[in-house]
Amino acid sequence: EVELVASGGDLVKPGGSLRLSCEASGFTFSTYSFHWVRQAPGKGLEWVASISQSVDRTNFIYYADSVKGRFSISRDNAKTSVYLQMSSLRVEDTAVYYCARGHDMVPTVFDHWGQGTLVSVSS
Amino acid sequence: QSALTQEASVSGTVGQKVTLSCSGSSNNIGSYAVGWYQQVSPGAPKTVMFGDSLPSGIPVRFSASKSGTTASLTISGLQPEDEADYYCSTWDSGLEVQVFGRGTRLTVL
Repeated sequence: EVELVASGGDLVKPGGSLRLSCEASGFTFSTYSFHWVRQAPGKGLEWVASISQSVDRTNFIYYADSVKGRFSISRDNAKTSVYLQMSSLRVEDTAVYYCARGHDMVPTVFDHWGQGTLVSVSS
Repeated sequence: QSALTQEASVSGTVGQKVTLSCSGSSNNIGSYAVGWYQQVSPGAPKTVMFGDSLPSGIPVRFSASKSGTTASLTISGLQPEDEADYYCSTWDSGLEVQVFGRGTRLTVL
């Protein structure tokens, strides 16, 4: 059974840093892309970042403009985990952060989602 | 302003057929498969369609289609448990980002 477990959310002050983790199980981790999607309180879903499966030891990485330069996505195939390193956090980064798996044949869609982890940025 | 446009709200009665739309451009819906995601607050999203394929465990009353730059999600035989927020999403090659619609609140009357 495919499972994605997100963790690392916490209350942090503006300007602070946090690292989110998403541990995957139940499938061959290295062959899938992964994504972080967030949802601010009372708002819709917002894509944050994506990391592809490794192609010739290279991962393709993309970021939303709202987090570019502040957030960094990475993966560790040996630990079957994806990470989101967040720095220079702002109040507007407050949200539930979900990790999602990209479909192996249709990479523009997500086929499984984790349960989410809450990040609160407040002084 | 989102790159994908969805109705803010749609309603229907039990057993009715309802269609949710997602309008985009040649850079997104016109070029890539669209995912549809159901979210019953306060839970995590769930994938109900990817492209025109039904994920395992999703009822066959869900279907999806695409015509040009508009994608549609149809629920044939609406059930009370279908009441949720529905989001469409795909890749945008012009912006080089994954884009989401703002979501449609589906109410079952």
